[in-house]
Amino acid sequence: AQSVTQLDSQVPVFEEAPVELRCNYSSSVSVYLFWYVQYPNQGLQLLLKYLSGSTLVKGINGFEAEFNKSQTSFHLRKPSVHISDTAEYFCAVSEGQGNLIFGKGTKLSVKP
Amino acid sequence: EAGVVQSPRYKIIEKKQPVAFWCNPISGHNTLYWYRQNLGQGPELLIRYENEEAVDDSQLPKDRFSAERLKGVDSTLKIQPAELGDSAVYLCASSLGGIRNTEAFFGQGTRLTVV
Repeated sequence: AQSVTQLDSQVPVFEEAPVELRCNYSSSVSVYLFWYVQYPNQGLQLLLKYLSGSTLVKGINGFEAEFNKSQTSFHLRKPSVHISDTAEYFCAVSEGQGNLIFGKGTKLSVKP
Repeated sequence: EAGVVQSPRYKIIEKKQPVAFWCNPISGHNTLYWYRQNLGQGPELLIRYENEEAVDDSQLPKDRFSAERLKGVDSTLKIQPAELGDSAVYLCASSLGGIRNTEAFFGQGTRLTVV
């Protein structure tokens, strides 16, 4: 069965500092991987996705993620964060049948 | 293009009362999902539709939850009777469908509080 582990429940960081949000998954087959962002009282918005091809994926708002099959990881990174990046971030996996399995989320708090 | 629309945004009901949530997916999206998001958790799938067929309802508590997607467009999720533990955000999402088109677009959700 698929599962997703987000290793940090909360990540505080200062503005303009780099950030990495960690995600590990387990699956017995090839997977598709996603990062979503959720602002307070909002639905989820797709940041980026990995389906195949290049393991480095670039998304919106300056975020990128790298798929590492050997380590079953899909960590999200941004070289310089802004106050507006404060939100909750969810990593998700799908085996291609349409069902997304989500991690528990990481709350990113950007401080001035 | 309009996104996924859900209503109501907020609902407060007493336990044992019924409640219903409505979702209008993005036009042309064949796949529709209902997720439940408990406080401090990630969304968990309740049911997935391909057109009007429920293809995965294994996580739907069928003793009190029901869903329908008439004509393969709008969908309604119902709880009857509601319990205190049903308090959560109920998210609807839709996608084009197909094995490689798994990008799901989410609505803003309905926050249910059962008192």
